Amino acid sequence: EPEVTQTPSHQVTQMGQEVILRCVPISNHLYFYWYRQILGQKVEFLVSFYNNEISEKSEIFDDQFSVERPDGSNFTLKIRSTKLEDSAMYFCASERARGQPQHFGDGTRLSIL
Amino acid sequence: AQSVTQLDSQVPVFEEAPVELRCNYSSSVSVYLFWYVQYPNQGLQLLLKYLSGSTLVKGINGFEAEFNKSQTSFHLRKPSVHISDTAEYFCAVSNFPNNAGNMLTFGGGTRLMVKP
Repeated sequence: EPEVTQTPSHQVTQMGQEVILRCVPISNHLYFYWYRQILGQKVEFLVSFYNNEISEKSEIFDDQFSVERPDGSNFTLKIRSTKLEDSAMYFCASERARGQPQHFGDGTRLSIL
Repeated sequence: AQSVTQLDSQVPVFEEAPVELRCNYSSSVSVYLFWYVQYPNQGLQLLLKYLSGSTLVKGINGFEAEFNKSQTSFHLRKPSVHISDTAEYFCAVSNFPNNAGNMLTFGGGTRLMVKP
C-alpha cells in the first residue's frame, strides 16, 4: 500500500537556525497538509496546500513558516529561524480528493537546542 | 469553530475484555468524523471514518464506532482487545462539507493499555 514518507525521522537543530522538513506524499494525491504535536499536547493543524498554493493555515503558521512543492513529488516545511517552542513531532499528510481520509507519515521529531 | 474532547486520557483493560473509547465533538455544522491509531514511533493510521449514511461504521482490526448526532459523540468500541491493540487513539473531525478546507481537529488522544 502506498505510504507518505517523511525525512529525517529526527532532526536536532540549534535555536535560530533554519530547518527544512521533507515529505513525499502518495503519488496520486492532490491535497497536502502539515500538522504538529508538541509533547503531551494535541495534534494541531498547521497548513494545507493545493494546486501550488496554501489553501488554509492556522494561527501557528506565522511568517517563520513556509511550505513548498518544489517538484512533482516532494512537499517541504521550512522554519526560518527556529525557537525552542518549535520542538515537536511534525506530521505530513496527503489526501486523494476533498473529503477523503488523510494519510499520515511517521513524522519528524524536531528538537531545538 | 469546532473542538473534540476525548474524555479518558488512559484506559487500562485486560486482554479479551471489551473496550470503549469516548469521543465528543462540538460543531455548529455537520462534520466528518475519524478515528486514528498511533503505535509507538509510528504515524497516524486511519482506523475508521464516518462521512454519511449508516451511523455504525466498521473499521480495521475489529474496531467499530457509532455516530450519535443528538449526543455529538463518536465512541470507538471493540468487543475483545488484544495486546497488540496497545496504542494511542485519536478522534478527529473535519467540517469539509461546509467549507473549502479539510483541516482535521484532533482530540487529546486516549492511551489504550491492554494487560495480559
